[in-house]
Amino acid sequence: DAGITQSPRYKITETGRQVTLMCHQTWSHSYMFWYRQDLGHGLRLIYYSAAADITDKGEVPDGYVVSRSKTENFPLTLESATRSQTSVYFCASSLLAGATYEQYFGPGTRLTVT
Amino acid sequence: SQELEQSPQSLIVQEGKNLTINCTSSKTLYGLYWYKQKYGEGLIFLMMLQKGGEEKSHEKITAKLDEKKQQSSLHITASQPSHAGIYLCGADHAGNNRKLIWGLGTSLAVNP
Repeated sequence: DAGITQSPRYKITETGRQVTLMCHQTWSHSYMFWYRQDLGHGLRLIYYSAAADITDKGEVPDGYVVSRSKTENFPLTLESATRSQTSVYFCASSLLAGATYEQYFGPGTRLTVT
Repeated sequence: SQELEQSPQSLIVQEGKNLTINCTSSKTLYGLYWYKQKYGEGLIFLMMLQKGGEEKSHEKITAKLDEKKQQSSLHITASQPSHAGIYLCGADHAGNNRKLIWGLGTSLAVNP
């Protein structure tokens, strides 16, 4: 299907485990983003990527690792999950950077760390 | 984020009524984005404003960016139950759309 997809949609994991959230887009957009959404904090940028093999930190990168070997995929890894990383994670993509290019969002992954 | 304030936090209106949501930035806006989020789902792009004084409309939703480019309003005319959801504004303070700052959202309920 065309668009931007995320998997899994729901995940429960234990403290200390490694977990990877997947993001896939079919538009060949250059830019991809990972956000987390928490009550009282709104959406916060974790990492973004301008192209394959180019990534940069956002507002809250600590505890997360990203990679982008292919344009269409942008996985987010929590190397050792903590309870504070319980959140809803959104992936987004945009054709290019610049104020005229909106970001398109995936449906989100709800992650619970116990 | 204190850089971007949204008001009101929540709103309950009767179907058919008009309403306005505000988004105020502490910095000059290079771009201001409005999105709608249905509960448990992703964000849907509504409109993007760049120029001071700019106004855009889509169906019954109108968004404006003030002349000083530090405040935007989203106005819904003759609200319908389908308008219910969370409205989020996102601000581009750098002119590159890479590190957007987001408001906390306005939760809208429309009673039939």
